[in-house]
Amino acid sequence: SSELTQDPAVSVALGQTVSITCQGDSLRNTYVSWYQQKPGQAPVLVIYGKNNRPSGIPDRFSGSSSGNTASLTITGAQAEDEADYYCKSRDSSGDHWVFGGGTKLTVL
Amino acid sequence: QVQLVQSGAEVKEPGASVKVSCKASGYSFSSHYMHWVRQAPGQGLEWMGVIHPSGAPRSYAQKFQGRLTLTMDTSTSAAHMELSSLRSDDTAVYYCARDVSGTYDQRTYWYFDFWGRGTLVTVSS
Repeated sequence: SSELTQDPAVSVALGQTVSITCQGDSLRNTYVSWYQQKPGQAPVLVIYGKNNRPSGIPDRFSGSSSGNTASLTITGAQAEDEADYYCKSRDSSGDHWVFGGGTKLTVL
Repeated sequence: QVQLVQSGAEVKEPGASVKVSCKASGYSFSSHYMHWVRQAPGQGLEWMGVIHPSGAPRSYAQKFQGRLTLTMDTSTSAAHMELSSLRSDDTAVYYCARDVSGTYDQRTYWYFDFWGRGTLVTVSS
């Protein structure tokens, strides 16, 4: 079982705002990174650190954290944002990494 | 530009071993750890292990202990993942991913900024 918990599926109306959450005890002292994966493609980094976006990632993607919960927020979701999203962190042992189970985002 | 180019798809029988390669270019190979991640059909991402460019330290996920071997070849800027005693549930796409770390507010974080395109390993008799 994963040490990071994500909701399996979330939906959002086109142009609206949606948050995808990730919970885990290890998140109290580290930051997660977030990855977007579309069918048949490799994952792509979208958020890392406190709230940093790699070059080429739209500014509608943002990250935040509080206590043991991290959130990825998409402000003004677009059709192309429909994908699976995974959080990742170092686990509580400090020696391994772990992914959340993933959240399938549907844009209606 | 940074690129991680993986070797081609493999088909293996149960009990065999598979070795997947990941050739890096566009950056200093000796400066970044390399991770391996796999994804079974219709499933999520699963972290397998990580290795320092020098070959040590390395860390493997508990479920792969004894079956997984990660190596690095700095002369060719290539990382290798070998998984032995293959079973049907090892059928998956295997990815290599470059590690980057940083610190903010006294909190260290790690992320995978570049990924290979993946190598499909099919285990079937």
